[in-house]
Amino acid sequence: GAVVSQHPSWVICKSGTSVKIECRSLDFQATTMFWYRQFPKQSLMLMATSNEGSKATYEQGVEKDKFLINHASLTLSTLTVTSAHPEDSSFYICSATGTENTEAFFGQGTRLTVV
Amino acid sequence: AQSVTQPDIHITVSEGASLELRCNYSYGATPYLFWYVQSPGQGLQLLLKYFSGDTLVQGIKGFEAEFKRSQSSFNLRKPSVHWSDAAEYFCAVGAVTGFQKLVFGTGTRLLVSP
Repeated sequence: GAVVSQHPSWVICKSGTSVKIECRSLDFQATTMFWYRQFPKQSLMLMATSNEGSKATYEQGVEKDKFLINHASLTLSTLTVTSAHPEDSSFYICSATGTENTEAFFGQGTRLTVV
Repeated sequence: AQSVTQPDIHITVSEGASLELRCNYSYGATPYLFWYVQSPGQGLQLLLKYFSGDTLVQGIKGFEAEFKRSQSSFNLRKPSVHWSDAAEYFCAVGAVTGFQKLVFGTGTRLLVSP
């Protein structure tokens, strides 16, 4: 199956700093990528949908100025958590799909801890 | 709006016993349904999916699921559980605006006892 690589797998940052998470499709062109957030022992909640070359579409309640999403190429999308605070600590997972795909493929996830 | 309910937060099954994880969905049309498995601290792995056709779907690792429209259910089953199956299982439905955009259930944690 298609491979999606997410980097880093974990990151610890200081409160007030920004963190960038990368999501790459390694063997297919990802026209659409999705970013999810998962709190401990909870389900995944969709944050935003990004289409290559377009602005991301954010779900209700997600601050677009805090969670900056860029999808500048068909193989890479980035999520930047700006001015991170402890409440942003979570597990962030991306998924990617292309025009030929009937499913989205998930990355390994990134554990963000803000101290 | 779509929604997915997984009524069991956690289930414990003896190794070698059969398994059924429940999933009910709310959706106005024919749904796209998925089951994913997540090991601790890991991403999601697709077990199986239903788009159309045969309502009994075979997946990887010996899992299967049956789509029952009358019950709005898509339960996951395995005839004989292995210790390595212990993980979190998520049922998901594809969104109206695009079936790759998923609405997840709250998950069921499977524990396997010796």
